[in-house]
Amino acid sequence: AQTVTQSQPEMSVQEAETVTLSCTYDTSENNYYLFWYKQPPSRQMILVIRQEAYKQQNATENRFSVNFQKAAKSFSLKISDSQLGDTAMYFCAFMYYGQNFVFGPGTRLSVLP
Amino acid sequence: DSGVTQTPKHLITATGQRVTLRCSPRSGDLSVYWYQQSLDQGLQFLIQYYNGEERAKGNILERFSAQQFPDLHSELNLSSLELGDSALYFCASSPPRLASTGELFFGEGSRLTVL
Repeated sequence: AQTVTQSQPEMSVQEAETVTLSCTYDTSENNYYLFWYKQPPSRQMILVIRQEAYKQQNATENRFSVNFQKAAKSFSLKISDSQLGDTAMYFCAFMYYGQNFVFGPGTRLSVLP
Repeated sequence: DSGVTQTPKHLITATGQRVTLRCSPRSGDLSVYWYQQSLDQGLQFLIQYYNGEERAKGNILERFSAQQFPDLHSELNLSSLELGDSALYFCASSPPRLASTGELFFGEGSRLTVL
């Protein structure tokens, strides 16, 4: 069974600084998807970024980028130029077709003014 | 707007009661997932349906049941409610594999409070 681990329950960062959230996962599959979802205080689940395992190039979405290390089964999220609106719970997630979508326990990020 | 609709948004009820949460997936999506999120906790997978058939089951209590109807909407039934069932219940949908980018599209959730 796949598992997703986020070892940082809480983190904080100063506005305009850069922060990296860690995620590791365990799977025996070769082709899969990895995601970061954001859950702000509104509790809505919002997709931040997606990575397909067969792609070696790290995904980027504006200020958000990932460091995908397939051999190490690591998938960290880097947020550059942090903004107050980035304050949220961040969930790392894994998906392999035919199996469930697995979420990590989450990292609570606070962006400080 | 994700295109996934959940009703009701808020629900307050008493212990021992039964409630039904409803979810309409995005147009064209065949899979529906249900997740439970207790206060400040992660998302616990409950159950998944694909085109009307149960596909996967997580830590869903026997007091809970779900189904997906021919029009692809889904209902989650919670019975003999306990205080600990108070949570945010998310529905999410995903398209068929060939049309998919892998992600789940979440509704806004149904917040259940059991008093």
